[in-house]
Amino acid sequence: GENVEQHPSTLSVQEGDSAVIKCTYSDSASNYFPWYKQELGKRPQLIIDIRSNVGEKKDQRIAVTLNKTAKHFSLHITETQPEDSAVYFCAARYNFNKFYFGSGTKLNVKP
Amino acid sequence: EAQVTQNPRYLITVTGKKLTVTCSQNMNHEYMSWYRQDPGLGLRQIYYSMNVEVTDKGDVPEGYKVSRKEKRNFPLILESPSPNQTSLYFCASRQGYEQYFGPGTRLTVT
Repeated sequence: GENVEQHPSTLSVQEGDSAVIKCTYSDSASNYFPWYKQELGKRPQLIIDIRSNVGEKKDQRIAVTLNKTAKHFSLHITETQPEDSAVYFCAARYNFNKFYFGSGTKLNVKP
Repeated sequence: EAQVTQNPRYLITVTGKKLTVTCSQNMNHEYMSWYRQDPGLGLRQIYYSMNVEVTDKGDVPEGYKVSRKEKRNFPLILESPSPNQTSLYFCASRQGYEQYFGPGTRLTVT
């Protein structure tokens, strides 16, 4: 199977600063890497994803990078805002149907 | 409105009393899945289904059953719940890459 590790578990930044969350995976057969944002009491929502044939993807203030050789991928949030405060999860899709999630990062953006 | 629904949203039950959590989607998605979320562990996949009558185990299937008799419904069955199944449960569906999650069911087993 697959194992996904996520760091850090908590991250506190000042509004306007950047935040970076890192994940590693163990199985090179994983080919799709989504990132989810979960606000308190809500369901996880997809914010960005990347496929294994792409090295970087950007969507406004959010970007994801993938290093297949090192088996790690990262979420970058620039110009953070208080509404970015939430728990973020990375995931890896293994064998097309199985999803493995990281343990989550609680991001706190201080005004 | 495209959505995934779950019922009930909250459930408190006792050890050994069989229960079913329902999941329904109106997007005609072939793939559906169940996850449990526990503090510090992220989401862990319980079972998934690729289509009607096609299901397979995820990472933590022990103590759970599923069925997929219709494309839109994917119920999760706990035949003899135990306290270690106290958790927050999410159903999800997808067609292609993106998964859409239901609102969650908070289950407490005493």
